[in-house]
Amino acid sequence: GAGVSQTPSNKVTEKGKYVELRCDPISGHTALYWYRQSLGQGPEFLIYFQGTGAADDSGLPNDRFFAVRPEGSVSTLKIQRTERGDSAVYLCASSSRSGDGHNEQFFGPGTRLTVL
Amino acid sequence: GEDVEQSLFLSVREGDSSVINCTYTDSSSTYLYWYKQEPGAGLQLLTYIFSNMDMKQDQRLTVLLNKKDKHLSLRIADTQTGDSAIYFCAETRTPTASKIIFGSGTRLSIRP
Repeated sequence: GAGVSQTPSNKVTEKGKYVELRCDPISGHTALYWYRQSLGQGPEFLIYFQGTGAADDSGLPNDRFFAVRPEGSVSTLKIQRTERGDSAVYLCASSSRSGDGHNEQFFGPGTRLTVL
Repeated sequence: GEDVEQSLFLSVREGDSSVINCTYTDSSSTYLYWYKQEPGAGLQLLTYIFSNMDMKQDQRLTVLLNKKDKHLSLRIADTQTGDSAIYFCAETRTPTASKIIFGSGTRLSIRP
């Protein structure tokens, strides 16, 4: 079936604006993750949902960042008052427990956010 | 220091073996991973190893884990041009695996 999809693929905005990034996980996956990858770095964890609830939001950098998953499927990452330092690729992943207990996360292609 | 460390670059000749190394700091790491990222493509899980194992082989890939030294390596046999990518070492710290902690990545380039 289809993999994780993210829209838009690219987003250019101005400093101070509000942006929303969308993630469609693999159908049936109960867990959904957001990561941020800055240039030349590995992905950094932002937030993890199990169903509709945020099970771990310890990676959100500040209160300008917020994410929701109201029906336990699609998730939206919301960034208020964007700053130039928010420019990065935002990655979404989803997972479902496998037989050996391992929890493979399948990543989407990402949304490249550029804040001018 | 960083939780997961890797060297930034590796260059190998086509057909040779590539060995990418990684060190991690947390002894409670449960699963250790190798991900591949090609330009314009998403992260692809190559292989993973559970912390109670010391080796895992999967076709051209061999993962070695030295838990005492907190050292993980990925060997790619018969390296091909299609193996050019950035390789990320990563770990999780709980069996149910919420967040994955990634290294900064090693860029592998293949020379003819």
